[in-house]
Amino acid sequence: DIQMTQSPSTLSASVGDRVTITCRASQSISSWLAWYQQKPGKAPKLLIYKASSLESGVPSRFSGSGSGTEFTLTISSLQPDDFATYYCQQYGWTFGQGTKVEIK
Amino acid sequence: QVQLVESGGGLVKPGGSLRLSCAASGFTFSDYYMSWIRQAPGKGLEWVSYISSSSSYTNYADSVKGRFTISRDNAKNSLYLQMNSLRAEDTAVYYCARDRRIPPDYYYGMDVWGQGTTVTVSS
Repeated sequence: DIQMTQSPSTLSASVGDRVTITCRASQSISSWLAWYQQKPGKAPKLLIYKASSLESGVPSRFSGSGSGTEFTLTISSLQPDDFATYYCQQYGWTFGQGTKVEIK
Repeated sequence: QVQLVESGGGLVKPGGSLRLSCAASGFTFSDYYMSWIRQAPGKGLEWVSYISSSSSYTNYADSVKGRFTISRDNAKNSLYLQMNSLRAEDTAVYYCARDRRIPPDYYYGMDVWGQGTTVTVSS
């Protein structure tokens, strides 16, 4: 089974900061990676699919990159609404353990 | 609008059974794969099962294989998860999601999610 490892587990940042979250796969998954945002008590929301494609309606400050085994989610300028937990997912199967973005 | 609404969660004793439902609206349900994903209290997301648009293909996480059964009724725009032999570790919020996968090689994310239904397995 392919394992997904996110880092860091928790990230403290301020409004306006550039934030990068990394997701590593235990073996190559080509570009079949999605990123989700989840706020407490709410369902996850799809941000990025196929590693770098922005889902419709998602602000352009979110971007994704990578292929093979290493991927990143970048928020170019952190906004108050972005404080949440972020998950990567490979090909509709395994999720990463999550990265909580909290206020510094 | 595009919407998924889960129901059927509740408190059940270990070894018991429960059937979850997910009602879809606002899109052509029969065009899409569908998945169930769960989240244990304070934990991350775990994919549970998927079913193809015509019910031809299903797949399950190892943790539920042999105990859970996914099904759908396209005429009723509904997705189901029959959960048998429930264990304490099955306690979670269960989400249904529209699944944009095209097996074996293509995956475009889960773009519509329900609000979740809570399953608690406890004596």
